[in-house]
Amino acid sequence: ILNVEQSPQSLHVQEGDSTNFTCSFPSSNFYALHWYRWETAKSPEALFVMTLNGDEKKKGRISATLNTKEGYSYLYIKGSQPEDSATYLCAPHTGNQFYFGTGTSLTVIP
Amino acid sequence: DAGITQSPRYKITETGRQVTLMCHQTWSHSYMFWYRQDLGHGLRLIYYSAAADITDKGEVPDGYVVSRSKTENFPLTLESATRSQTSVYFCASSESGGRMQPQHFGDGTRLSIL
Repeated sequence: ILNVEQSPQSLHVQEGDSTNFTCSFPSSNFYALHWYRWETAKSPEALFVMTLNGDEKKKGRISATLNTKEGYSYLYIKGSQPEDSATYLCAPHTGNQFYFGTGTSLTVIP
Repeated sequence: DAGITQSPRYKITETGRQVTLMCHQTWSHSYMFWYRQDLGHGLRLIYYSAAADITDKGEVPDGYVVSRSKTENFPLTLESATRSQTSVYFCASSESGGRMQPQHFGDGTRLSIL
């Protein structure tokens, strides 16, 4: 069992604010890390697949970085919009399977 | 329609009964996964399959059985349901390359065991 920690657990921001979340994981036996966005009443949707130390990925206003040596990944949202409201999950793959964090729940207030 | 579908969406059953949750994908993805989602936990892997006739245990396999006779189907069976198996179950699939490929999730099955 892998200890994956996501912080904060929940976050409320005003529309237009920028925000970021953290995913921490043990750095040994690291292979890849996935970020997913999970809207209420829907299923998780993939945002990024990251594999290399120093990786940076971007999709519109959302970006992510990866530090495999120290075992963390950051997800950034620039200029949050109400439609960004969702739970953001990270899932590092170490050893032989993925381990999902409990997520950061983001609410963007119009 | 192409995609990944789970059935049933909702199921209520009694302790001790056998119940099978179905998962079907139309992409011909190699990998398929079963997760359960419980309050206070992230998605926890029950079983996964790298290809037809190849399955392996995940983090929480006890009490569950899977099979994969065809690439597109990956049923999950609870042989003798217990209340602790009340949960929301998600099936997912990904292309060959496993951990380097994003997973595509079904809409989930909400299972209640009385």
